Amino acid sequence: DQQVKQNSPSLSVQEGRISILNCDYTNSMFDYFLWYKKYPAEGPTFLISISSIKDKNEDGRFTVFLNKSAKHLSLHIVPSQPGDSAVYFCAARTNTDKLIFGTGTRLQVFP
Amino acid sequence: DSGVTQTPKHLITATGQRVTLRCSPRSGDLSVYWYQQSLDQGLQFLIHYYNGEERAKGNILERFSAQQFPDLHSELNLSSLELGDSALYFCASSPRMIPGSTEAFFGQGTRLTVV
Repeated sequence: DQQVKQNSPSLSVQEGRISILNCDYTNSMFDYFLWYKKYPAEGPTFLISISSIKDKNEDGRFTVFLNKSAKHLSLHIVPSQPGDSAVYFCAARTNTDKLIFGTGTRLQVFP
Repeated sequence: DSGVTQTPKHLITATGQRVTLRCSPRSGDLSVYWYQQSLDQGLQFLIHYYNGEERAKGNILERFSAQQFPDLHSELNLSSLELGDSALYFCASSPRMIPGSTEAFFGQGTRLTVV
């Protein structure tokens, strides 16, 4: 049972444009959502998070939106840069201390 | 550098064997999480330890076990290995029991290949 889903395995965006990565979840008890970025041969690194009581959190070029009624969150990167090319994982925290990850979306930013 | 150290970086072993993966968390972090990533799949949560005690279990096989020692390092033991156990195994640490707003920091992973 995949509680956190990233239905787009890949996304290609031109440099300077907006990248939108999507994530859906099924468990309404998740209380925190996080986005991680992963480069090849490295561990995931934290990017941005949002509490379930908020609907938006912004950090520089990165903004995460949460739509609780739709059980959907998205990560916006604007403007996209070639260095943003990586695999992006969304994750959700349960009330039993688990951090559950999606399958990831590979973002490619081309010049 | 996240401050989380995993050893070894690579491991090749035969089916039926047993291996131990080691994780040293960031200084002061009490929580250690283990994850498995197979091929290009997502990170599957295996197990969480906090200050030496098991806190949560995910889809961890009975052939797998883990522990966290008094010095807070953790080991993941994989036994009776099968070809399907080939994967990247990540360890993450966090200062609090609940990762939440204080994110978990990941090591670089151990790539296990079972032949």
